[in-house]
Amino acid sequence: DGGITQSPKYLFRKEGQNVTLSCEQNLNHDAMYWYRQDPGQGLRLIYYSQIVNDFQKGDIAEGYSVSREKKESFPLTVTSAQKNPTAFYLCASSINRSGKNTGELFFGEGSRLTVL
Amino acid sequence: GQNIDQPTEMTATEGAIVQINCTYQTSGFNGLFWYQQHAGEAPTFLSYNVLDGLEEKGRFSSFLSRSKGYSYLLLKELQMKDSASYPCAPQTGANNLFFGTGTRLTVIP
Repeated sequence: DGGITQSPKYLFRKEGQNVTLSCEQNLNHDAMYWYRQDPGQGLRLIYYSQIVNDFQKGDIAEGYSVSREKKESFPLTVTSAQKNPTAFYLCASSINRSGKNTGELFFGEGSRLTVL
Repeated sequence: GQNIDQPTEMTATEGAIVQINCTYQTSGFNGLFWYQQHAGEAPTFLSYNVLDGLEEKGRFSSFLSRSKGYSYLLLKELQMKDSASYPCAPQTGANNLFFGTGTRLTVIP
């Protein structure tokens, strides 16, 4: 079945450590996104990529890094520079908006990161 | 900048109708999405409006007025499983979605 796979689902890390969250999609979507969600808050955009080997900062990119070496993969690294990394991280993908395509986002199940 | 305003919480009775309002101000606008998000889960797509007017989809309908920067989601025949958060998400000129905080709906028997 086509979809978006995020791993790990739960992750614990110590302060000062970098951690990489995986996101893989087999929907053949061009665009991929990373969002962060804090309790009781909306989704905030961290980074997005509309094409392989290109990505753009979102609203809260500081302390995060990404790569887009393959169409299917868009890993997110949470670096030690991120002041408050404990959150729920959601990866999404979409066909670029054009013609009948609305640009609807399809989400993975999320990764919950806790910094101890 | 981007700004979205939705009520934080709403409560409605099973079988009733509820309307969730959303006003927005964005730099660039292509259309507006409504999503449903159950606690601890990823959002799922409900509706998309690009033109003014009402889009009906089973128990869910969504309305858009581009000139007023206003949308609403209408849920009919409420069921207990409809208890969730409902964020509206304007789609900006950069082909990105900007999510509101969402309205937390509680359906009571």
